[in-house]
Amino acid sequence: EDQVTQSPEALRLQEGESSSLNCSYTVSGLRGLFWYRQDPGKGPEFLFTLYSAGEEKEKERLKATLTKKESFLHITAPKPEDSATYLCAVQAGETSGSRLTFGEGTQLTVNP
Amino acid sequence: DTEVTQTPKHLVMGMTNKKSLKCEQHMGHRAMYWYKQKAKKPPELMFVYSYEKLSINESVPSRFSPECPNSSLLNLHLHALQPEDSALYLCASSSRTDLYEQYFGPGTRLTVT
Repeated sequence: EDQVTQSPEALRLQEGESSSLNCSYTVSGLRGLFWYRQDPGKGPEFLFTLYSAGEEKEKERLKATLTKKESFLHITAPKPEDSATYLCAVQAGETSGSRLTFGEGTQLTVNP
Repeated sequence: DTEVTQTPKHLVMGMTNKKSLKCEQHMGHRAMYWYKQKAKKPPELMFVYSYEKLSINESVPSRFSPECPNSSLLNLHLHALQPEDSALYLCASSSRTDLYEQYFGPGTRLTVT
């Protein structure tokens, strides 16, 4: 059974204090790993797709990286508007079709 | 433009009511999805439509009935719901089903009384 574990569950940062969120996965044949941001009461917002180990993608203050066992979402000099829940999801296996297996998310709070 | 729209934003219904949730996208995507999300939990997949045909039903109770009238529209018909069905219902779409990022709508907050 595919498993995705995100850590920490919650993270509080001061504005400008860089940090990383972790997404570790145990799957049968990773095909793609997706990062989403979700604000309270809203739908998830797509951030990145990573397909193979060693791949990196950046968007503003966010950088996502992928290894064979985990992905990191690095947040550089965060601002209060980066506060949200960050979700990691994987698509794996030949028979998964379009199923995404989500982690439980990391709730990020950035204080001014 | 990566917009998926959903109506209504909020819905309160009794257990004997019949209502529908609507979802629309104009990105030319050929895969559309319904998810259910409870508070502080990740989205749970309910249904997948690929090229307007139902391809995945995650053993969802029959009181939820999906419909895909055309490639841009997705409906979820609700009947005889239970209070535990109260949740945020999310629609998503992707270019195709395999290895393409899914774009989510803002959701419909459903309360069953």
